[in-house]
This record gives sequence, C-alpha cells and structure tokens, in this order.
Amino acid sequence: AQTVTQSQPEMSVQEAETVTLSCTYDTSESDYYLFWYKQPPSRQMILVIRQEAYKQQNATENRFSVNFQKAAKSFSLKISDSQLGDAAMYFCAYRSDETSYDKVIFGPGTSLSVIP
Amino acid sequence: DTAVSQTPKYLVTQMGNDKSIKCEQNLGHDTMYWYKQDSKKFLKIMFSYNNKELIINETVPNRFSPKSPDKAHLNLHINSLELGDSAVYFCASSQERGLAGIYEQYFGPGTRLTVT
Repeated sequence: AQTVTQSQPEMSVQEAETVTLSCTYDTSESDYYLFWYKQPPSRQMILVIRQEAYKQQNATENRFSVNFQKAAKSFSLKISDSQLGDAAMYFCAYRSDETSYDKVIFGPGTSLSVIP
Repeated sequence: DTAVSQTPKYLVTQMGNDKSIKCEQNLGHDTMYWYKQDSKKFLKIMFSYNNKELIINETVPNRFSPKSPDKAHLNLHINSLELGDSAVYFCASSQERGLAGIYEQYFGPGTRLTVT
C-alpha cells in the first residue's frame, strides 16, 4: 500500500522569503500523480500544483514549484516570495494511475506560518 | 457559481442521533468522494462513487452510508452518532479519467460535525 509522509509538522517563513516543504512517498508503482493541496483557515482545500510521474520536468505555478525526485520518491514544494496569504496547512497527496479507481492518499500535512 | 457545495457547514448533535450531510456538484463530474478530516488534520477517504456506483469503500463503520441519487449528488448518512465521529467531512468531485490522464479533485467547503 502507498504511504505519504511529511516530516515537518510545522514550518515558518519570513514574509518575502523562500520556504521548502518536504514530502516523501512509498510506492511500487511507476505511473502516478502527485499533488500539493493548501488548506487555509477557511478550511477550503485548494489545489496548488500537480506533477505527473512520467514527466521529468518539475511543475511550476507562479511562486510555487516542486522538486520531484522519482528515484528518491521525494516531492518537495518550494514557495518563493512568501506572502501572508500563504499561511495554511499544506498536504502532499498521491494518486495512482495504475488502478481503475481514483483513490488519493494524503500526507499528514505541514502547518506553514508566515511571519510579517 | 459554487462548484462543490455541502450542507450544512456546521452540525452539532447528540450521541445516538442520525444525521445526514448533503453534497452537490455542478461541474458535470462523474466521480464524487467523501473524506474525513480528524482533529489532527489527517485527511482520509471514506467513499467514492462513479456515476452513482460505489467504487471505493474504505474501512468505515456500517453506520456510515453514502447515497447517490444522481451523479451530481452524494449524500452521507450517519446512524447512531458517536463521539469519535466528530470531525470535518469533505465532499469532493472529479472528472472520470480520460486520455489526458486523471483529473484533480475539487473539494467542497467541509462540514464540521460535533457530537456531544
């Protein structure tokens, strides 16, 4: 069974600085998708970025980028120029592309604080 | 314009009661999900329906019963509520996987259930 680990329960970053959130996962599959979701205090789950495992190029979305290391099963999220609105829980998630059903496995989350 | 909506957003009830949470999506998606987020923010899938057919049923007590009257709705009924059922319940939806691969899930705002 697949597992997702986020080893940093809490992180903090100074406004305008850069922060990296770690995520590792365990799987025997070769085809899968990885996601980062953001959950602000409003509770809404918001997709930040996604990465297809077959793509070697790291995904980027404006100030958000990932460092995908397939061999190491690592999928970290880098937030550049941090803003106060980035304060939230961040969840790393895994989704198989090899099964007929779409089950997403979430990591335990990292709580990010942004210091003004 | 709400994509995935849930009602109610807050639900406070006593042990032993039966309650329902409703979910509707107007995105035309084929697949809907129920997730449970516990007090430690851990998010875990409970059920998944594709075109009104149950495709994922994780280890969830029989007191929880999903019902999908049509592919735009997936309701969650809970019998004989227990203290441990207190959590935030999220509904989500996604398009059925296609040639482009899988599609991300869109989440509702969550329902905070408190059992006293």
